[in-house]
Amino acid sequence: AQKVTQAQTEISVVEKEDVTLDCVYETRDTTYYLFWYKQPPSGELVFLIRRNSFDEQNEISGRYSWNFQKSTSSFNFTITASQVVDSAVYFCALYNFNKFYFGSGTKLNVKP
Amino acid sequence: DTAVSQTPKYLVTQMGNDKSIKCEQNLGHDTMYWYKQDSKKFLKIMFSYNNKELIINETVPNRFSPKSPDKAHLNLHINSLELGDSAVYFCASSRGHGTDTQYFGPGTRLTVL
Repeated sequence: AQKVTQAQTEISVVEKEDVTLDCVYETRDTTYYLFWYKQPPSGELVFLIRRNSFDEQNEISGRYSWNFQKSTSSFNFTITASQVVDSAVYFCALYNFNKFYFGSGTKLNVKP
Repeated sequence: DTAVSQTPKYLVTQMGNDKSIKCEQNLGHDTMYWYKQDSKKFLKIMFSYNNKELIINETVPNRFSPKSPDKAHLNLHINSLELGDSAVYFCASSRGHGTDTQYFGPGTRLTVL
């Protein structure tokens, strides 16, 4: 069965702290895609990253980085030196067999 | 120039009514989607269309029907609205199905009274 688990319901950090959002997925397929999305308090959904199952290279984009590990079926997201603007709900998602599976989201609160 | 637009932004209606939400994308994408986000923030994909053909139809009541008059539009019709239909509905589009970046509309908040 396909499934995405974001065990952290809510995380609170103080500005400038580093924070990692966990994402664990389940799939029986060898070809799949993983995504992260951000939903700030204003409500819009913003695509952050897409990763296919054959590319395990970690990715860094500014203060954001992603650690994809097939051995542990995890696709974790780290924000370095967090800022108040990073406060949002973050969703991890899996795509395979023509279907999407979303995690329940992690709400990140960054306090000044 | 809004990439993915939805109308209306807010929709308040009575139980039993029929309503539509419109979505348009000007990105030239081949695939469009409808998502539902409930009050607990759970996101669920409802439909996707690729070149006007339905690809995914998750377990959605048949009161919900997507209509795609052309590649740039995917409208959502809802018949006999129920209280549980209250949610935020997002439209999205992508170049290809599933594997490409999705661009989302601003969402339509539907409230059924």
